[in-house]
Amino acid sequence: QKEVEQDPGPLSVPEGAIVSLNCTYSNSAFQYFMWYRQYSRKGPELLMYTYSSGNKEDGRFTAQVDKSSKYISLFIRDSQPSDSATYLCAMRVGGGSYIPTFGRGTSLIVHP
Amino acid sequence: NAGVTQTPKFQVLKTGQSMTLQCAQDMNHEYMSWYRQDPGMGLRLIHYSVGAGITDQGEVPNGYNVSRSTTEDFPLRLLSAAPSQTSVYFCASSPGGGPRGYTFGSGTRLTVV
Repeated sequence: QKEVEQDPGPLSVPEGAIVSLNCTYSNSAFQYFMWYRQYSRKGPELLMYTYSSGNKEDGRFTAQVDKSSKYISLFIRDSQPSDSATYLCAMRVGGGSYIPTFGRGTSLIVHP
Repeated sequence: NAGVTQTPKFQVLKTGQSMTLQCAQDMNHEYMSWYRQDPGMGLRLIHYSVGAGITDQGEVPNGYNVSRSTTEDFPLRLLSAAPSQTSVYFCASSPGGGPRGYTFGSGTRLTVV
């Protein structure tokens, strides 16, 4: 079992839908949680960053962390075709080498 | 600022050839890493560095060498290319701890024939 599990999809939704992307993890020492967006043939870009449990909102995006369940989510409201991309979750412990562990990514397709 | 710059963007190698993938960042980041990305496998860490002169192995280091003589540059060397090294390679950098993630380059698509 990998440390971070993420359903690869693809997830296909109509424009305007609310999208929920999720990751589960097994390492209880993870404290920092990230979501990256990767467009086709591009490098990943950091979308959101949260520390410990709770919610963080940025425009149409909300990141949610439930450490008791070892479960993180990214919600996208009013999804747009431009949101079509692969979304990778990542997480790391508080110190050490600061190297994150990545999920395999979920492919999202938002169709008009 | 340019961020993280990777060269070349595309490369075709013959089995057994060697080459160096270049990575440079202009953000004065301490931490730099090399990943490879393969379909269905996600991002896998090859080597990383926590500062000039300090490198360590990641999840899939075999067949690759790195060095970090300056803060800005972190080249990845393929010693004797094999078809199994066909992949997309990403370099990334980070200032270190706290709520800050990695900044990725645009990638090098490598094909070994």
